[in-house]
Amino acid sequence: GENVEQHPSTLSVQEGDSAVIKCTYSDSASNYFPWYKQELGKRPQLIIDIRSNVGEKKDQRIAVTLNKTAKHFSLHITETQPEDSAVYFCAVGGGYNKLIFGAGTRLAVHP
Amino acid sequence: KAGVTQTPRYLIKTRGQQVTLSCSPISGHRSVSWYQQTPGQGLQFLFEYFSETQRNKGNFPGRFSGRQFSNSRSEMNVSTLELGDSALYLCASRKTGISGGQETQYFGPGTRLLVL
Repeated sequence: GENVEQHPSTLSVQEGDSAVIKCTYSDSASNYFPWYKQELGKRPQLIIDIRSNVGEKKDQRIAVTLNKTAKHFSLHITETQPEDSAVYFCAVGGGYNKLIFGAGTRLAVHP
Repeated sequence: KAGVTQTPRYLIKTRGQQVTLSCSPISGHRSVSWYQQTPGQGLQFLFEYFSETQRNKGNFPGRFSGRQFSNSRSEMNVSTLELGDSALYLCASRKTGISGGQETQYFGPGTRLLVL
């Protein structure tokens, strides 16, 4: 069955440092890998996504890398800022025609 | 384009009661998914509707049900509420939900349900 593991569950960094969150999945048919950011009391918002024909995608300070052979993908945030503090969810789509979410990573960026 | 909307935003019920939540997807989107979010369990998939038909279902008891109307608006119902049903219920819409699940999914603001 589908399974998505996300690590770490909490991450604390100093402003300006980089943050990396990793997810692994089990279904080899998966071909869509979005990342969502959820601030306290708000809805999850898509911040970046990658599809299986691409190994890496960047959008300003955010990047996602995908290793389909190893079935894992990662979110990289560089030059972190306090407003990056939130819960980040990875998700996997494709094999079951629905999105399966990881458990989330609570990122705290300290000034 | 207006985003995904959900009503009501907050709800307080007592055990044993039932509740109906509503979700209006982005105009033109035909797939609506529902999720339960709790601090302990994260985002758990409830079910997905497309063209008024339930297409996928998560591992929730039969007390959780839903439906979709011809205008793609969706409702979910929880009967015989239990304390553990207290959660944020999120709906999300996609255009079709096919294409191997590669379409971007947009979330609504959620309905926060408290069961006393």
